[in-house]
Amino acid sequence: EVQLVESGGGLVQPGGSLRLSCAASGFTFSDFEMNWVRQAPGKGLEWISYIGFSTSSIYYADSVKGRFTSSRDNAGNTLYLQMSSLRVEDTAVYFCARPKAGTGSYYTFDYWGQGTLVTVSS
Amino acid sequence: SSELTQDPAVSVALGQTVGITCQGDSLRSFYASWYQQKPGQAPVLVIYGKNNRPSGIPDRFSGSRSGLTASLTITGAQAEDEAVYYCNSRDYSSNHVLFGGGTKLTVL
Repeated sequence: EVQLVESGGGLVQPGGSLRLSCAASGFTFSDFEMNWVRQAPGKGLEWISYIGFSTSSIYYADSVKGRFTSSRDNAGNTLYLQMSSLRVEDTAVYFCARPKAGTGSYYTFDYWGQGTLVTVSS
Repeated sequence: SSELTQDPAVSVALGQTVGITCQGDSLRSFYASWYQQKPGQAPVLVIYGKNNRPSGIPDRFSGSRSGLTASLTITGAQAEDEAVYYCNSRDYSSNHVLFGGGTKLTVL
């Protein structure tokens, strides 16, 4: 069974840092591109980052570029999101999401984690 | 960069047919995927590609595309279909992923 489990969320002050993890199981992690998507309270979904099979291709939304860093440990089956210079507007539930196999589409997400809440507040 | 536009809310009578639309320049080149999200839950993929349903998604869900508009159709809406529906696609000018703002579907 495919599982994605995020962790690392919590309360952080503006300007602070936090690292999120997404533990993957039930599939060959290194065979899949991965993404981070967030959702502010009561708002819609916002894609924030893509990472390729290795770390050779990484893309970021303009809203987080230069502040967030995606990485992955294929041996440990874990995806990471290092967040720094956090702002109040970064408050959201952060999901990791896996593209559906066989579609050739890295934006078609068939598996999502349960999300981890990041609250940026003083 | 481009964007995807959805109507904020749509309603449908129980058992009737409803369409939810998604407009954007990127849809000229890329298919939309559609997600259903219920409160407190992660999104669920319901339609992808030309008109494909993942395993377990009822066949009352279907998708289509015409020009710059993608549509999700629910034929014979059920009470359990009440949710927020999001489209997404790829930005035609970059490698970024786009999401529409979401459409809240109310089943009356």
